[in-house]
Amino acid sequence: DTAVSQTPKYLVTQMGNDKSIKCEQNLGHDTMYWYKQDSKKFLKIMFSYNNKELIINETVPNRFSPKSPDKAHLNLHINSLELGDSAVYFCASSQDAGVADTQYFGPGTRLTVL
Amino acid sequence: SQKIEQNSEALNIQEGKTATLTCNYTNYSPAYLQWYRQDPGRGPVFLLLIRENEKEKRKERLKVTFDTTLKQSLFHITASQPADSATYLCALDASGTYKYIFGTGTRLKVLA
Repeated sequence: DTAVSQTPKYLVTQMGNDKSIKCEQNLGHDTMYWYKQDSKKFLKIMFSYNNKELIINETVPNRFSPKSPDKAHLNLHINSLELGDSAVYFCASSQDAGVADTQYFGPGTRLTVL
Repeated sequence: SQKIEQNSEALNIQEGKTATLTCNYTNYSPAYLQWYRQDPGRGPVFLLLIRENEKEKRKERLKVTFDTTLKQSLFHITASQPADSATYLCALDASGTYKYIFGTGTRLKVLA
């Protein structure tokens, strides 16, 4: 059973397009996250939702919009894609939003913008 | 400015030896520090969490230390095996927030 799943695994698209990445967790966790890992392997948090409420919103262009339809899902929609958006995007979840909570990561979505 | 630094160079060690990875931080006061393993093409996997009032934490062949005076955590893998080859990330909580800040990771290669 996959704990945290993401689709698609690979996404290749042209500049200016709009795309979405979906994430689902079957762990019963209350908190979900989106991270971006760039080419230098730096993993940076973008957003976090706890019980469908946004609790972390880092300095991310407003072209990025997360949506949490329920506790088990957190999707990421990106408008007007730019070359600099190319990266691996990881979804993660944790039992709660506490800093002692372990995060479980999905397999990642490699986004390539041409 | 706030920084988390891990050995940027890859670390190569011989099978059976102890690997020691460092995580140094500046201008943070974390209450918790975590270590993750990341294999190529996969997401990070949690290994250990250590609290600021714990000096050391062990799990099987893994040991983590946390020195809040030196602002440093050390991650040890004893009796290393080729299967331990991966990138290891440290992460600390940005105090007063819900988030963890990750280091850039150290790539470990254990040679048979």
